[in-house]
Amino acid sequence: LAKTTQPISMDSYEGQEVNITCSHNNIATNDYITWYQQFPSQGPRFIIQGYKTKVTNEVASLFIPADRKSSTLSLPRVSLSDTAVYYCLVGDLQQDSGTYKYIFGTGTRLKVLA
Amino acid sequence: DSGVTQTPKHLITATGQRVTLRCSPRSGDLSVYWYQQSLDQGLQFLIQYYNGEERAKGNILERFSAQQFPDLHSELNLSSLELGDSALYFCASSVIAGAPGTDTQYFGPGTRLTVL
Repeated sequence: LAKTTQPISMDSYEGQEVNITCSHNNIATNDYITWYQQFPSQGPRFIIQGYKTKVTNEVASLFIPADRKSSTLSLPRVSLSDTAVYYCLVGDLQQDSGTYKYIFGTGTRLKVLA
Repeated sequence: DSGVTQTPKHLITATGQRVTLRCSPRSGDLSVYWYQQSLDQGLQFLIQYYNGEERAKGNILERFSAQQFPDLHSELNLSSLELGDSALYFCASSVIAGAPGTDTQYFGPGTRLTVL
């Protein structure tokens, strides 16, 4: 069964770059890696998705090494409003049954300080 | 606002009861996912439907069931409720144009279930 692990928490100051890593050793060949942001009592919100190398959008970058066993979400110049929990999401293809599961990481609680 | 709607927002019930949670996906999305989020278990994938058919299944209990209707809304039925079923239940939807794992899921605001 695929397992994804993330640091439990991180602190940062406003204006700094924050990098959050997710380990997903058993990621399937065709799987994408997706990152979500969640505020208290709200549903997760899509941040970025990638398959390999580097992806960048208007809010974040995603770095995926060649072996794809980990990924790093990079948030440039964080602000107080970026205080939230960040999750990675990967799929897990069950080889014996051919069925598929979605596995969220353990979540990283980011606190941005003034 | 993701465009995914869930009702009710809050639900309080007693052990042994049965409840139904409802989800309406974003316009144009064919796939619906259900997740459970509790403090000790994090976000757990329950089940996915695509255009009315079950597409993927997680660790969904036998006491739980779901379906997706022809108008694409979905319902999650929870029966014989236990204290441990108290959690936030999220619905998400996606277009799912590609293989599983390539879809971008958009989450609703959730239903908070409290079992007393």
